[in-house]
Amino acid sequence: GNSVTQMEGPVTLSEEAFLTINCTYTATGYPSLFWYVQYPGEGLQLLLKATKADDKGSNKGFEATYRKETTSFHLEKGSVQVSDSAVYFCARVDSGGSNYKLTFGKGTLLTVNP
Amino acid sequence: ETGVTQSPTHLIKTRGQQVTLRCSSQSGHNTVSWYQQALGQGPQFIFQYYREEENGRGNFPPRFSGLQFPNYSSELNVNALELDDSALYLCASSLDINEQFFGPGTRLTVL
Repeated sequence: GNSVTQMEGPVTLSEEAFLTINCTYTATGYPSLFWYVQYPGEGLQLLLKATKADDKGSNKGFEATYRKETTSFHLEKGSVQVSDSAVYFCARVDSGGSNYKLTFGKGTLLTVNP
Repeated sequence: ETGVTQSPTHLIKTRGQQVTLRCSSQSGHNTVSWYQQALGQGPQFIFQYYREEENGRGNFPPRFSGLQFPNYSSELNVNALELDDSALYLCASSLDINEQFFGPGTRLTVL
């Protein structure tokens, strides 16, 4: 089936460190890919997206490139801040005819220490 | 522009009871999806409503049901609650496949 797999956490970094969170997806169909962020006690916020191969999504210093050849959509940030501490979810959306649903990875908890 | 809102914020029920959760979609969004997020897990798709009709369903039993109203707001109903139904329930509204906006969720605890 259609799924995404992301690296398990938790990930703990010092402020200004480089962040990579790996995400791969099953090579079925032509999904759009997303990264969502969930801050403690809150719902999900869309961080960035890419709708086709070679697209790069970016927002708030985060980037991810849709790579069809490696079926990956890794999240990166050059210099993390304490305020980036949250759970990050990789997701895909597949159109099932008249409907569409998001399929999420299990999430990666990021903690950034000052 | 008002975002997606959900009510109540928190809810405690006992096994066997029934619960109704509510969602107001973002202005103009005609599609609402519901997700269940168990502790430490990613959200799981329950079902989707488009223009008041169920438009797709995930792997959830029939005791999970829903409604969408003419103003595109929505309800999620769960009958015969089980302990495993304890989770954060998220509603997302959208106009197209690549933009789903989530509400803050309802935390349901079943004792």
